[in-house]
Amino acid sequence: GAVVSQHPSRVICKSGTSVKIECRSLDFQATTMFWYRQFPKQSLMLMATSNEGSKATYEQGVEKDKFLINHASLTLSTLTVTSAHPEDSSFYICSASPGRPFIIASYNEQFFGPGTRLTVL
Amino acid sequence: SQQGEEDPQALSIQEGENATMNCSYKTSINNLQWYRQNSGRGLVHLILIRSNEREKHSGRLRVTLDTSKKSSSLLITASRAADTASYFCATLTFAQGGSEKLVFGKGTKLTVNP
Repeated sequence: GAVVSQHPSRVICKSGTSVKIECRSLDFQATTMFWYRQFPKQSLMLMATSNEGSKATYEQGVEKDKFLINHASLTLSTLTVTSAHPEDSSFYICSASPGRPFIIASYNEQFFGPGTRLTVL
Repeated sequence: SQQGEEDPQALSIQEGENATMNCSYKTSINNLQWYRQNSGRGLVHLILIRSNEREKHSGRLRVTLDTSKKSSSLLITASRAADTASYFCATLTFAQGGSEKLVFGKGTKLTVNP
Protein backbone atom coordinates (compact mmCIF):
# COMPACT_ATOMS: atom_id res chain seq x y z
CA GLY A 1 0.00 0.00 0.00
CA ALA A 2 0.84 3.73 0.06
CA VAL A 3 1.95 4.02 -3.55
CA VAL A 4 2.52 7.38 -5.18
CA SER A 5 2.99 7.73 -8.91
CA GLN A 6 4.27 10.58 -11.03
CA HIS A 7 3.74 11.25 -14.69
CA PRO A 8 5.67 11.73 -16.81
CA SER A 9 8.85 10.16 -15.51
CA ARG A 10 10.92 12.13 -17.95
CA VAL A 11 10.17 15.15 -20.11
CA ILE A 12 12.22 17.24 -22.49
CA CYS A 13 10.81 20.54 -23.65
CA LYS A 14 11.81 23.70 -25.42
CA SER A 15 12.50 26.90 -23.57
CA GLY A 16 9.35 28.98 -23.14
CA THR A 17 6.91 26.11 -23.03
CA SER A 18 4.92 24.96 -20.03
CA VAL A 19 5.15 21.50 -18.55
CA LYS A 20 2.65 19.77 -16.31
CA ILE A 21 3.68 17.04 -13.89
CA GLU A 22 1.08 14.87 -12.17
CA CYS A 23 1.36 13.27 -8.76
CA ARG A 24 -1.17 10.64 -7.77
CA SER A 25 -1.74 8.68 -4.61
CA LEU A 26 -2.91 5.32 -5.90
CA ASP A 27 -4.27 3.56 -2.84
CA PHE A 28 -4.93 6.24 -0.27
CA GLN A 29 -6.40 9.69 0.00
CA ALA A 30 -3.80 12.40 0.37
CA THR A 31 -5.05 15.58 1.96
CA THR A 32 -1.55 16.99 1.74
CA MET A 33 0.96 16.72 -1.04
CA PHE A 34 4.46 18.13 -1.17
CA TRP A 35 6.57 19.12 -4.14
CA TYR A 36 10.35 18.95 -3.99
CA ARG A 37 13.10 19.87 -6.36
CA GLN A 38 16.46 18.14 -6.53
CA PHE A 39 19.45 19.37 -8.48
CA PRO A 40 22.12 16.86 -9.57
CA LYS A 41 24.08 15.46 -6.66
CA GLN A 42 22.19 17.66 -4.25
CA SER A 43 19.49 17.25 -1.69
CA LEU A 44 15.75 17.67 -1.98
CA MET A 45 14.41 21.16 -1.40
CA LEU A 46 10.78 21.65 -0.52
CA MET A 47 9.06 23.92 -3.00
CA ALA A 48 5.50 23.96 -1.73
CA THR A 49 2.91 22.21 0.35
CA SER A 50 -0.53 21.72 -1.11
CA ASN A 51 -3.69 20.84 0.72
CA GLU A 52 -6.67 19.50 -1.17
CA GLY A 53 -9.12 22.23 -2.05
CA SER A 54 -6.97 25.15 -0.97
CA LYS A 55 -4.12 27.19 -2.33
CA ALA A 56 -0.61 25.83 -2.07
CA THR A 57 1.82 27.28 0.43
CA TYR A 58 5.12 28.08 -1.17
CA GLU A 59 8.50 28.08 0.50
CA GLN A 60 10.51 31.25 0.57
CA GLY A 61 12.19 31.96 -2.74
CA VAL A 62 9.87 29.79 -4.83
CA GLU A 63 7.97 31.73 -7.47
CA LYS A 64 4.30 30.82 -7.22
CA ASP A 65 3.53 32.24 -10.65
CA LYS A 66 6.22 30.10 -12.20
CA PHE A 67 5.40 26.87 -10.41
CA LEU A 68 1.64 26.49 -10.41
CA ILE A 69 0.31 23.85 -8.08
CA ASN A 70 -3.19 22.46 -8.15
CA HIS A 71 -4.52 19.91 -5.68
CA ALA A 72 -8.03 19.46 -6.99
CA SER A 73 -8.76 16.04 -5.56
CA LEU A 74 -7.65 13.81 -2.73
CA THR A 75 -5.59 11.69 -5.08
CA LEU A 76 -4.12 14.16 -7.55
CA SER A 77 -1.85 17.17 -7.43
CA THR A 78 -0.27 18.82 -10.43
CA LEU A 79 2.79 21.01 -10.77
CA THR A 80 2.97 23.19 -13.87
CA VAL A 81 6.29 24.78 -14.71
CA THR A 82 5.31 27.80 -16.76
CA SER A 83 7.53 29.34 -19.43
CA ALA A 84 10.25 26.86 -18.62
CA HIS A 85 13.88 27.84 -18.98
CA PRO A 86 17.06 25.73 -18.91
CA GLU A 87 17.66 26.67 -15.28
CA ASP A 88 14.37 24.94 -14.42
CA SER A 89 15.90 21.65 -15.49
CA SER A 90 15.82 19.46 -12.43
CA PHE A 91 14.39 16.36 -10.81
CA TYR A 92 10.96 17.06 -9.36
CA ILE A 93 9.65 14.72 -6.67
CA CYS A 94 6.26 14.76 -5.02
CA SER A 95 5.17 13.14 -1.81
CA ALA A 96 1.74 12.52 -0.38
CA SER A 97 0.57 12.36 3.18
CA PRO A 98 -2.65 10.63 4.18
CA GLY A 99 -3.51 13.18 6.85
CA ARG A 100 -3.37 16.92 7.20
CA PRO A 101 -0.16 17.84 9.05
CA PHE A 102 -0.55 18.68 12.66
CA ILE A 103 1.44 21.24 14.54
CA ILE A 104 1.96 18.94 17.47
CA ALA A 105 3.94 15.85 18.24
CA SER A 106 2.12 13.55 15.85
CA TYR A 107 3.45 12.91 12.41
CA ASN A 108 1.86 11.90 9.16
CA GLU A 109 4.27 9.95 7.05
CA GLN A 110 5.04 11.15 3.56
CA PHE A 111 5.13 8.66 0.70
CA PHE A 112 7.31 9.67 -2.19
CA GLY A 113 6.75 9.38 -5.91
CA PRO A 114 9.47 8.13 -8.26
CA GLY A 115 10.27 11.61 -9.54
CA THR A 116 10.13 13.43 -12.88
CA ARG A 117 13.27 14.43 -14.73
CA LEU A 118 12.68 17.74 -16.53
CA THR A 119 15.13 18.90 -19.16
CA VAL A 120 14.56 22.28 -20.76
CA LEU A 121 16.50 22.89 -23.95
CA SER B 1 21.24 26.81 5.77
CA GLN B 2 20.16 23.24 5.44
CA GLN B 3 19.01 21.48 8.56
CA GLY B 4 20.60 18.11 8.05
CA GLU B 5 24.21 17.72 7.08
CA GLU B 6 25.50 14.27 6.36
CA ASP B 7 29.02 13.07 6.42
CA PRO B 8 30.81 11.63 4.69
CA GLN B 9 29.55 12.95 1.37
CA ALA B 10 30.73 9.79 -0.31
CA LEU B 11 31.65 6.38 1.07
CA SER B 12 33.05 3.40 -0.79
CA ILE B 13 33.32 0.03 0.93
CA GLN B 14 33.57 -3.65 0.13
CA GLU B 15 30.66 -6.03 0.34
CA GLY B 16 30.30 -7.43 3.83
CA GLU B 17 31.73 -4.38 5.56
CA ASN B 18 29.68 -2.05 7.70
CA ALA B 19 28.80 1.45 6.52
CA THR B 20 28.29 4.31 8.93
CA MET B 21 26.80 7.63 7.91
CA ASN B 22 26.33 10.61 10.17
CA CYS B 23 23.89 13.47 10.17
CA SER B 24 23.89 16.70 12.13
CA TYR B 25 21.08 19.19 12.45
CA LYS B 26 20.60 22.62 13.92
CA THR B 27 17.18 23.07 15.47
CA SER B 28 14.87 21.11 17.73
CA ILE B 29 13.15 18.22 16.02
CA ASN B 30 10.12 16.05 16.43
CA ASN B 31 11.72 13.13 14.68
CA LEU B 32 14.55 12.29 12.33
CA GLN B 33 14.22 9.99 9.36
CA TRP B 34 16.57 8.25 7.01
CA TYR B 35 15.79 7.73 3.35
CA ARG B 36 17.46 5.91 0.52
CA GLN B 37 17.53 7.05 -3.10
CA ASN B 38 18.77 4.98 -5.97
CA SER B 39 20.24 7.03 -8.80
CA GLY B 40 17.57 9.05 -10.58
CA ARG B 41 14.75 7.52 -8.57
CA GLY B 42 12.40 8.51 -5.78
CA LEU B 43 12.97 8.16 -2.09
CA VAL B 44 12.39 5.10 0.01
CA HIS B 45 11.72 5.59 3.70
CA LEU B 46 14.09 3.46 5.78
CA ILE B 47 13.56 4.30 9.41
CA LEU B 48 12.19 6.99 11.71
CA ILE B 49 13.51 7.75 15.15
CA ARG B 50 11.60 10.03 17.49
CA SER B 51 13.23 12.72 19.56
CA ASN B 52 12.71 10.73 22.77
CA GLU B 53 14.39 7.62 21.35
CA ARG B 54 18.12 6.97 21.37
CA GLU B 55 18.48 3.92 19.19
CA LYS B 56 16.39 1.96 16.74
CA HIS B 57 16.95 -1.17 14.71
CA SER B 58 15.38 -2.45 11.53
CA GLY B 59 16.95 -5.49 9.93
CA ARG B 60 20.52 -4.59 9.03
CA LEU B 61 19.93 -0.94 9.87
CA ARG B 62 20.76 0.68 13.17
CA VAL B 63 20.01 4.32 13.83
CA THR B 64 21.12 6.35 16.81
CA LEU B 65 20.02 9.79 17.85
CA ASP B 66 21.80 12.15 20.22
CA THR B 67 19.61 15.19 20.75
CA SER B 68 22.20 16.86 23.00
CA LYS B 69 24.67 16.84 20.12
CA LYS B 70 21.96 17.23 17.49
CA SER B 71 23.31 14.30 15.56
CA SER B 72 22.25 10.93 14.25
CA SER B 73 24.02 8.00 12.67
CA LEU B 74 22.89 5.27 10.31
CA LEU B 75 24.75 2.01 10.38
CA ILE B 76 24.26 -0.60 7.67
CA THR B 77 25.76 -3.90 8.70
CA ALA B 78 27.04 -6.61 6.36
CA SER B 79 26.61 -4.38 3.35
CA ARG B 80 25.62 -5.71 -0.05
CA ALA B 81 26.17 -4.37 -3.54
CA ALA B 82 22.42 -3.68 -3.66
CA ASP B 83 22.86 -1.18 -0.82
CA THR B 84 24.61 1.14 -3.26
CA ALA B 85 22.55 4.34 -3.21
CA SER B 86 22.41 7.81 -1.73
CA TYR B 87 21.23 8.07 1.85
CA PHE B 88 19.58 11.17 3.26
CA CYS B 89 18.60 12.15 6.72
CA ALA B 90 15.58 14.39 7.12
CA THR B 91 14.30 16.28 10.12
CA LEU B 92 10.73 17.25 10.75
CA THR B 93 10.21 20.95 11.16
CA PHE B 94 7.61 23.50 10.19
CA ALA B 95 6.84 24.89 6.73
CA GLN B 96 5.43 28.29 5.88
CA GLY B 97 1.99 28.48 7.41
CA GLY B 98 2.89 26.21 10.28
CA SER B 99 2.43 22.81 8.68
CA GLU B 100 5.05 20.13 9.03
CA LYS B 101 7.82 19.74 6.53
CA LEU B 102 10.83 17.52 6.05
CA VAL B 103 14.19 19.19 5.69
CA PHE B 104 16.71 16.97 3.96
CA GLY B 105 20.44 16.82 4.37
CA LYS B 106 22.84 16.75 1.47
CA GLY B 107 23.16 13.00 1.52
CA THR B 108 25.87 10.39 1.55
CA LYS B 109 26.56 8.50 -1.63
CA LEU B 110 27.36 4.93 -0.66
CA THR B 111 29.06 2.56 -3.06
CA VAL B 112 29.36 -1.08 -2.07
CA ASN B 113 31.83 -2.91 -4.23
CA PRO B 114 31.23 -6.63 -4.87
